[in-house]
Amino acid sequence: AQSVTQLDSQVPVFEEAPVELRCNYSSSVSVYLFWYVQYPNQGLQLLLKYLSGSTLVKGINGFEAEFNKSQTSFHLRKPSVHISDTAEYFCAVSDPRAGGGYNKLIFGAGTRLAVHP
Amino acid sequence: SAVISQKPSRDICQRGTSLTIQCQVDSQVTMMFWYRQQPGQSLTLIATANQGSEATYESGFVIDKFPISRPNLTFSTLTVSNMSPEDSSIYLCSVGTTGSADTQYFGPGTRLTVL
Repeated sequence: AQSVTQLDSQVPVFEEAPVELRCNYSSSVSVYLFWYVQYPNQGLQLLLKYLSGSTLVKGINGFEAEFNKSQTSFHLRKPSVHISDTAEYFCAVSDPRAGGGYNKLIFGAGTRLAVHP
Repeated sequence: SAVISQKPSRDICQRGTSLTIQCQVDSQVTMMFWYRQQPGQSLTLIATANQGSEATYESGFVIDKFPISRPNLTFSTLTVSNMSPEDSSIYLCSVGTTGSADTQYFGPGTRLTVL
């Protein structure tokens, strides 16, 4: 079964500093990978996704992620964070070969990014 | 991406009662999903709801506790039945398209507190 590990439950960082949120997945097959963000008291918003092609994926709000198949990782990065980036970030994986006509999302436990002034 | 709304946005309910959560999408979608997010936790899929067929429940979730309706391609409801404090969670619906890209878009969630 697939699983997603987000290695850091909390990441504190100062404003304008770079940040990396780590995500590893376990799967022996090709997968789709996603990062979602959840701001306080809100639903999930899609940041970016990797389906195929270039391993460097750019998303909204200046975020990017790099798919590394050999390391089974999909780490999220931003070169300079803002106070407004404070939120919970979830990594998710789906198996495009799963049956039923849809791809079930498996979520990691989440990483709380706290940006301090 | 689809615009998804949920009602109610939050509610406080008494033990033993039931609450029905509505999910409305601004376009027709094939797949709708219901998730639970317990306090401080990640998301867990409750069930998948396709229009015109019975919902498919994940392990640990049963229809008697979480009945789901999907009367058309833009609407679904999830009922949390005979509630207990352990049901206090955020309930989110999401939508996806069949076969391509497999991206799910989420509603704002319903924050449920059971006393």
